[in-house]
Amino acid sequence: AQKITQTQPGMFVQEKEAVTLDCTYDTSDQSYGLFWYKQPSSGEMIFLIYQGSYDEQNATEGRYSLNFQKARKSANLVISASQLGDSAMYFCAMREGYNNDMRFGAGTRLTVKP
Amino acid sequence: EAQVTQNPRYLITVTGKKLTVTCSQNMNHEYMSWYRQDPGLGLRQIYYSMNVEVTDKGDVPEGYKVSRKEKRNFPLILESPSPNQTSLYFCASSFLTGATEAFFGQGTRLTVV
Repeated sequence: AQKITQTQPGMFVQEKEAVTLDCTYDTSDQSYGLFWYKQPSSGEMIFLIYQGSYDEQNATEGRYSLNFQKARKSANLVISASQLGDSAMYFCAMREGYNNDMRFGAGTRLTVKP
Repeated sequence: EAQVTQNPRYLITVTGKKLTVTCSQNMNHEYMSWYRQDPGLGLRQIYYSMNVEVTDKGDVPEGYKVSRKEKRNFPLILESPSPNQTSLYFCASSFLTGATEAFFGQGTRLTVV
């Protein structure tokens, strides 16, 4: 069964605007971690942000924040003040507490328009 | 510099010719894994290892082998590559806790003709 769902294959945003990339997950474990990675056209995987299941505050890292809604099992990535360099593929991922496997969603391709 | 190093970055080979993609990390991570990335499917785990001499299958292990003889190295072996193994491959490593991110290699783009 798919554990991570990213329903937006592609998104467009105007430069300097904010954008939300959706991610929902499925787990019966109480302890888990949620991650977002960025993959630019050069192909490398860049870690952006982490949210633990017991963290009460939403994680933030510079222009990135994670809108964590535990009851809805969603972990949306919010990018504020989009820049042209934000154009990339974005992956949501989860590690469940009982093992270390990191499962990924299908990804969302974000294009920032000037 | 902390890093995961994969080689080669690009490889074109023919069906049936055995190949090995190397992966090495310098962060003393216990956990290492291999993924393949295909359009529309995200990253799917092939094999993983939680320690030396301990390996296990991921979601798509068919046609692949791995070994973990040393903590830092985790090579991926394709004994008889087929065109459906044409993909972008990533090696990743992390500590043995769900609270830490995985570090990825630069990726290996494999084409099997």
